[in-house]
Amino acid sequence: NAGVMQNPRHLVRRRGQEARLRCSPMKGHSHVYWYRQLPEEGLKFMVYLQKENIIDESGMPKERFSAEFPKEGPSILRIQQVVRGDSAAYFCASSQAPQANYGYTFGSGTRLTVV
Amino acid sequence: DAKTTQPPSMDCAEGRAANLPCNHSTISGNEYVYWYRQIHSQGPQYIIHGLKNNETNEMASLIITEDRKSSTLILPHATLRDTAVYYCIVRDYSGGGADGLTFGKGTHLIIQP
Repeated sequence: NAGVMQNPRHLVRRRGQEARLRCSPMKGHSHVYWYRQLPEEGLKFMVYLQKENIIDESGMPKERFSAEFPKEGPSILRIQQVVRGDSAAYFCASSQAPQANYGYTFGSGTRLTVV
Repeated sequence: DAKTTQPPSMDCAEGRAANLPCNHSTISGNEYVYWYRQIHSQGPQYIIHGLKNNETNEMASLIITEDRKSSTLILPHATLRDTAVYYCIVRDYSGGGADGLTFGKGTHLIIQP
């Protein structure tokens, strides 16, 4: 049973380009969460999605960032017109259900570098 | 903001028990205590969680005080691979709405050979 798969592991983009980060949850998990970790800082919640629905995007920057979790395929975190401050590790987690008696399983992350 | 307070760093000798404290004095009755760890450059790893009773699994034990205002994560026989940042998190079990985990700064546990 594969864990949470994120790709690519490393992504380099020039300022102004678009970055697409993919996350395939664990088998049987329909809840996906995205987190960002800036260098030398803790993880910050960005967005919580359930299949085809955004449940909570309170941690998402208002501009340039979007997320989706289609009926088929992985969840995508999309960053348009990247800037140097977007350089960070982006982690995806999945769970069976939102209730707190389940732990989250995290992926290995995508390290985005904006040059 | 995180609802927990942890020491920023701790050392422990290899083979000894590592006891990591966490204060959560404002915890409410329907909030669980979760522990995760993050080994350098990797994604966070779930360790254990509990509500009121002490819990044990293959990785660790979780001791929660009777008033639930603090807890201790115990790694019984620490190894060098346990060097990581350990996060204590409280989370409402009712689910729905805002459901993301709130990570604080955690405790950087360093296992000394």
